[in-house]
Amino acid sequence: DTEVTQTPKHLVMGMTNKKSLKCEQHMGHRAMYWYKQKAKKPPELMFVYSYEKLSINESVPSRFSPECPNSSLLNLHLHALQPEDSALYLCASSRGTGGNQPQHFGDGTRLSIL
Amino acid sequence: GENVEQHPSTLSVQEGDSAVIKCTYSDSASNYFPWYKQELGKRPQLIIDIRSNVGEKKDQRIAVTLNKTAKHFSLHITETQPEDSAVYFCASFNFGNEKLTFGTGTRLTIIP
Repeated sequence: DTEVTQTPKHLVMGMTNKKSLKCEQHMGHRAMYWYKQKAKKPPELMFVYSYEKLSINESVPSRFSPECPNSSLLNLHLHALQPEDSALYLCASSRGTGGNQPQHFGDGTRLSIL
Repeated sequence: GENVEQHPSTLSVQEGDSAVIKCTYSDSASNYFPWYKQELGKRPQLIIDIRSNVGEKKDQRIAVTLNKTAKHFSLHITETQPEDSAVYFCASFNFGNEKLTFGTGTRLTIIP
């Protein structure tokens, strides 16, 4: 069973659309992450939230806008995406951001940009 | 930044034999090394991890070894089964920048 829940599972959108990806965890974790994974590649870190504050932004284009409304929820707002943004977007959570904290992944949202 | 090299990129093993995947990291500030298994179309799933103060850890058919001096860590799967077929990623957590860096992945195929 997946303890990190992501919705939607699949999303197709045009380059002018605005959409949001959602992630939820109820493990009491205080760190949450967004990763992007292209086919046959490892996950690439995009954003890290620690105690609901953005702590790492890996120089992600502004067309991706993260939001952490509370300790259980993480959103990724999408606007004016490009075809190369098509990928699997994975959310993860961990107890904290310090060392020795396993990250647990959700099933991801498979995003296709037309 | 941290760089994690992973070998081999593909590995085919007869069912019942052992499989070994090796990773090398670059930054001595890395102190936590998880391994993830990702089946096609599914999420990366943590299968085992090791901390920098430990040299070896075992969980049933899976074991991980760490050589801090050489900056090497390896995944060992014994008595392989068809359900072990997947892509395996090693990763390195850097204590300095608090980031998890993944290796490039190994596609493991178990031949029945």
